Amino acid sequence: AQSVTQLGSHVSVSEGALVLLRCNYSSSVPPYLFWYVQYPNQGLQLLLKYTSAATLVKGINGFEAEFKKSETSFHLTKPSAHMSDAAEYFCAVIVPNFGNEKLTFGTGTRLTIIP
Amino acid sequence: DTGVSQNPRHKITKRGQNVTFRCDPISEHNRLYWYRQTLGQGPEFLTYFQNEAQLEKSRLLSDRFSAERPKGSFSTLEIQRTEQGDSAMYLCASSLVAGGTETQYFGPGTRLLVL
Repeated sequence: AQSVTQLGSHVSVSEGALVLLRCNYSSSVPPYLFWYVQYPNQGLQLLLKYTSAATLVKGINGFEAEFKKSETSFHLTKPSAHMSDAAEYFCAVIVPNFGNEKLTFGTGTRLTIIP
Repeated sequence: DTGVSQNPRHKITKRGQNVTFRCDPISEHNRLYWYRQTLGQGPEFLTYFQNEAQLEKSRLLSDRFSAERPKGSFSTLEIQRTEQGDSAMYLCASSLVAGGTETQYFGPGTRLLVL
């Protein structure tokens, strides 16, 4: 079965500093990988997704992630943090099987931006 | 495209009561998913529909839970004889399966509190 591990349930960075949120996956077949963001009391918004094309994926709001098969990782980065980036971030995996493409989520990382 | 909507946004009920939530997906999306998110956790898959057919249910979905999508458009999730452990955010997502990897778009969720 597939799974996702997000290292660090809480991450704090200064405004303008690099954001790095870590995600490692486990899957028996090449997976599809996603990052979603959740603001308080809201649903999830897709930031970016990897679907076996380019390994470096660019998303919205200046975020990007790189798929590294050798490390089974899909870390999320942003060069310069903004106050509006404060939110909960979820990494998720889909194992394509031509059927139920349910998302399996990690436990999330809460990002705090220090002014 | 008005996005996925969910009603109500908040529900407080007493233990033992029945509750029903509604999800209106993005029009023409043929797949609809239900997830449950408890505090401090990522969303967990409950069930999904392809058009009006319910194709898979998670083991998390006890007999007290039932979901329908009668005409392949909106969906309802009913919980009978609610328990305090049912308190959670219930998220709905929809997607269009048309070749390639589907992207699931989430609604704002319904937050349930069982007293």
